[in-house]
Amino acid sequence: LAKTTQPISMDSYEGQEVNITCSHNNIATNDYITWYQQFPSQGPRFIIQGYKTKVTNEVASLFIPADRKSSTLSLPRVSLSDTAVYYCLVDAGNNRKLIWGLGTSLAVNP
Amino acid sequence: GAGVSQTPSNKVTEKGKYVELRCDPISGHTALYWYRQSLGQGPEFLIYFQGTGAADDSGLPNDRFFAVRPEGSVSTLKIQRTERGDSAVYLCASSPAGRRGTGELFFGEGSRLTVL
Repeated sequence: LAKTTQPISMDSYEGQEVNITCSHNNIATNDYITWYQQFPSQGPRFIIQGYKTKVTNEVASLFIPADRKSSTLSLPRVSLSDTAVYYCLVDAGNNRKLIWGLGTSLAVNP
Repeated sequence: GAGVSQTPSNKVTEKGKYVELRCDPISGHTALYWYRQSLGQGPEFLIYFQGTGAADDSGLPNDRFFAVRPEGSVSTLKIQRTERGDSAVYLCASSPAGRRGTGELFFGEGSRLTVL
C-alpha cells in the first residue's frame, strides 16, 4: 500500500497556479517527501524534494507544515506542457523500495 | 547520451519466450533500479543494485525474473517463459551514491513489453 494519498485527478487552466496536496499521516522521522512528474510514454522525472517548511526551485515549490503529515506541491502559472501525472512519495531519502501510488493526473486546459 | 538509456524501447513476444531488457545508466551512478509500470498505475519496485550486487531483489515477482549487473554499469533484466501478465513498461533508474536526502532518481524512457 502506498504511504501517501493524493487526488486522482485535477483540472486547471493555462496561467493558473496549481496546488496538489498529498497526505502522509504515517510519515517517519527519517522520511523525506519527494515529487515526480511523468508524461505519457516517458519515465518519471524528479521535481522537488523536502523535509520540512518550504523548498523552492526553478519549477515548483513544496510546502510542508510543521507536523509533516501532508505536503503541497505548488506549480506557478501552469502551461499546457504541465499536463502530466504527479507522484508524491515519502521515503528515507535513499530511494530504496519507493512505494508509488496512482499519482495525480493534472490536465491543463487552454 | 547523458541520460539513462533503455533498449529495446518496444518488444513484442509470444507467451513462453525468453526476453532480455537492457539498461545503460548514467556514467558514474552506482545505484541502479528496475521498476515495472502497468497502464494507469504507478511504478512497482523490482530490484535494486548497488554496484555489481543486487542489494534488494524482493520486488521480483517470481523466479522467472532475474537481473544482473556484472560490471557495475549496464544491467540486464531477464524474463523467462513470459506470460501475458508480464506485459508492462519496464523502467530503469539510476542515482549516484550519496547522502540521505539527495534522493533524485534518473529514469530511462522504459521498455514496453507486450506478451501475446
